[in-house]
Amino acid sequence: DTEVTQTPKHLVMGMTNKKSLKCEQHMGHRAMYWYKQKAKKPPELMFVYSYEKLSINESVPSRFSPECPNSSLLNLHLHALQPEDSALYLCASSQVRLAGGFEQYFGPGTRLTVT
Amino acid sequence: GQQVMQIPQYQHVQEGEDFTTYCNSSTTLSNIQWYKQRPGGHPVFLIQLVKSGEVKKQKRLTFQFGEAKKNSSLHITATQTTDVGTYFCAGPNRKGSNYKLTFGKGTLLTVNP
Repeated sequence: DTEVTQTPKHLVMGMTNKKSLKCEQHMGHRAMYWYKQKAKKPPELMFVYSYEKLSINESVPSRFSPECPNSSLLNLHLHALQPEDSALYLCASSQVRLAGGFEQYFGPGTRLTVT
Repeated sequence: GQQVMQIPQYQHVQEGEDFTTYCNSSTTLSNIQWYKQRPGGHPVFLIQLVKSGEVKKQKRLTFQFGEAKKNSSLHITATQTTDVGTYFCAGPNRKGSNYKLTFGKGTLLTVNP
């Protein structure tokens, strides 16, 4: 199974809402990632979890809160978002290797619209 | 920090024509990866190059890693409409004791049938 799944596929939320994005993989990967992608731009890294511990936070605003409950699951909790946070949110996973030689498997993404 | 520059930003070709996208890094890379993202889709891993001067082929796609391991290219021979999408190169970038991928800005390929 080389699939990364993400739910929901689409999400519309108001600026006062609290919502969560979910990601799951069963490839035995011990690194998981959240990316944000705006239209016609490359994926922009937000967070990296390695062995269920947060290893990289790319100075993401605190209205985004990641969580890694176990080695297969990754969540992104959203609260008090701004309209400029509207984007495609991608989850990815990979093995953990030296010197960063790790191909990443991306999920289909959650298309988020903040109104 | 390390930057990965990719050109061209856009390329429109007639079906059957060849296509090349180029990637350059400001620093030597331990490896470079290529991803394809179809319109409305998500990035899909294509290949990883590790060795200096390495050349790998996947059917009509040829990937090269430069001798100095600072540049790479993807060449598609005789494009087809199924090749449409954005092609990203990505290199590992060290952050503390961890690594992350730094993506180039991508080349959007459109193919006229």
